[in-house]
Order: sequence, then C-alpha cells, then structure tokens
Amino acid sequence: NAGVTQTPKFQVLKTGQSMTLQCAQDMNHEYMSWYRQDPGMGLRLIHYSVGAGITDQGEVPNGYNVSRSTTEDFPLRLLSAAPSQTSVYFCASSYSGRGREKLFFGSGTQLSVL
Amino acid sequence: DQQVKQNSPSLSVQEGRISILNCDYTNSMFDYFLWYKKYPAEGPTFLISISSIKDKNEDGRFTVFLNKSAKHLSLHIVPSQPGDSAVYFCAASPSGGSNYKLTFGKGTLLTVNP
Repeated sequence: NAGVTQTPKFQVLKTGQSMTLQCAQDMNHEYMSWYRQDPGMGLRLIHYSVGAGITDQGEVPNGYNVSRSTTEDFPLRLLSAAPSQTSVYFCASSYSGRGREKLFFGSGTQLSVL
Repeated sequence: DQQVKQNSPSLSVQEGRISILNCDYTNSMFDYFLWYKKYPAEGPTFLISISSIKDKNEDGRFTVFLNKSAKHLSLHIVPSQPGDSAVYFCAASPSGGSNYKLTFGKGTLLTVNP
C-alpha cells in the first residue's frame, strides 16, 4: 500500500531558486494538504485542497503556490526559495477533509535553502 | 498565540512504566482532540482521538483522558515499550471543524529506556 508518497526526500536549494515538491496519494482522498514542521513550532498548515480544482490557504501560505488538477496529486511550488523556507514538509490527505477524519501523512521532504 | 500547548518538550521513562504526555488548550471551541505519533524520518501517524462528549477513550495500551473544565488532555501509555519512543503531537479541532482547522501542538519527544 503506497498511501501518500512524497518526492524528493531531501533537497538543497540556493536562495532564489524554484522547485516543486511532489505529493501523490492512491487512496482516492478528496482532501489533501501541506504542512511544514520547524523546530519548536509543531505542524503548520501551508495550503489545502478539498477536491480537484479547489485550493485554499492555510496558516503560513506566503512564498508557496499549489494547484490540484487531479484527485491524486497535490504539488507544492516554491517560486523563489528563501532561507526561512528551510523546513521539513509533510503532505497529508483524508477522505473528505470534513468531520473527524484522521490524516494520512507522507514521509516528508527535508528542504534546506542556503 | 499558542492554542494547543505541549509544555514538555521531552519525557524519558523506563520500559514497563507508565508514560503520561500532557496537552493544554485555550480555545473553548475545540471539541475534538487527536494524538499523532511520529518516528524519525517518517510522517506522523494517527494514534487515538477523543470527542468532548467523552472524558476517556482507550485503545489497547493507549488511553486519552479529557478534562474539559481544565482544558487539559493527557495520553497514557501503559506499559511503555522502547518502540513507543517517538514524538507525540496533540491536535485539536473546533466544533463542526474540518481537517484544515486542526491546530497542532509542538510535540513531546518520548524516550522509553530498556
């Protein structure tokens, strides 16, 4: 069972570079989301989507873009990386995002911006 | 302004003893609480949850207690095992809330010593 798959696992960028973090799920979940985890900060929501073609901002959206063209995929784009975006990024999904559903997380992408 | 607080960054216990992880919240609109466990280099996984209509929920060695008047919940692990060593995140959801309204605490690193 693949579940939620994130690529790459590690990435080093220079300030100003762009990149896309990939996230795919094979559980036919409508809800997908991106979190970042920083030391001493817990998990903070960046962007989320409740279905194909629908996205919205979370707590810390600045510097990130998302799109949802298919149910399976929810890529996160950094347009111009900054050192403040050094973090561990987790993609998570659930059936609909409504109600009391548990989230399924990917294994994370560790990003360093120099 | 932290709405979900895990005031102990770390906890160390002996194998076979009880582990008690604490979580406090400030938002009285929260009515559903979850615990996620995270191993190094992996994403968080759902552990146990509790609704505000209950004061206890049990699943095997894991029990979550909720004290609404004190806005406090705790996760008890009995008996603790070395495989329980992980970071534990407390999360809270407001009434009628969806997954994009989840608020996570900063996490507590539990180490269970053999």
